[in-house]
Amino acid sequence: GDSVTQMEGPVTLSEEAFLTINCTYTATGYPSLFWYVQYPGEGLQLLLKATKADDKGSNKGFEATYRKETTSFHLEKGSVQVSDSAVYFCALTDSGGYQKVTFGTGTKLQVIP
Amino acid sequence: DAGVIQSPRHEVTEMGQEVTLRCKPISGHDYLFWYRQTMMRGLELLIYFNNNVPIDDSGMPEDRFSAKMPNASFSTLKIQPSEPRDSAVYFCASSWGQTIDGYTFGSGTRLTVV
Repeated sequence: GDSVTQMEGPVTLSEEAFLTINCTYTATGYPSLFWYVQYPGEGLQLLLKATKADDKGSNKGFEATYRKETTSFHLEKGSVQVSDSAVYFCALTDSGGYQKVTFGTGTKLQVIP
Repeated sequence: DAGVIQSPRHEVTEMGQEVTLRCKPISGHDYLFWYRQTMMRGLELLIYFNNNVPIDDSGMPEDRFSAKMPNASFSTLKIQPSEPRDSAVYFCASSWGQTIDGYTFGSGTRLTVV
């Protein structure tokens, strides 16, 4: 079945450091890919998405590129802030309508001043 | 809009007791989803409703779990009897339409069964 694998956390970075959170997936067909973010005490929020190969999703300085050849959707940000401290979830769903969404286990990011 | 409201935020109960988790979706949303989050298994879809009707409950782990949506503004997830392995964070999400980028999640209920 479909699966998403994320790097284990926590990831601890100093403010203004470069961030990469790795995400790879296994799926049949051509899934759509997503990153969700969960701030402390809150529910998950959509951060960005990409629906086909080579698409780049971006939001709030975060980016991720849909790489079909490596089945990856790594999240990057050039300069993290303390306010980016949260748990980040990679997710996928098949294209062509609703299918069961598969989430990764989440990666906790801690940014220290 | 206040978003998706879940209650309680935290629940501690003894093994064998009945537990009821509650969810109020965003007004106007026609889909409601219940998820469970654990360290071992990540986020799992338990059940989802469309216009108050259960569509897919194949993720419900066993008969001890049941979910209802008596009207468009309220849903419950019940565990009876509860077991320690049910300890997890339970999320409710709602959306207008099916696509994941339309989901709004609640803040979750952290359940601990001792």
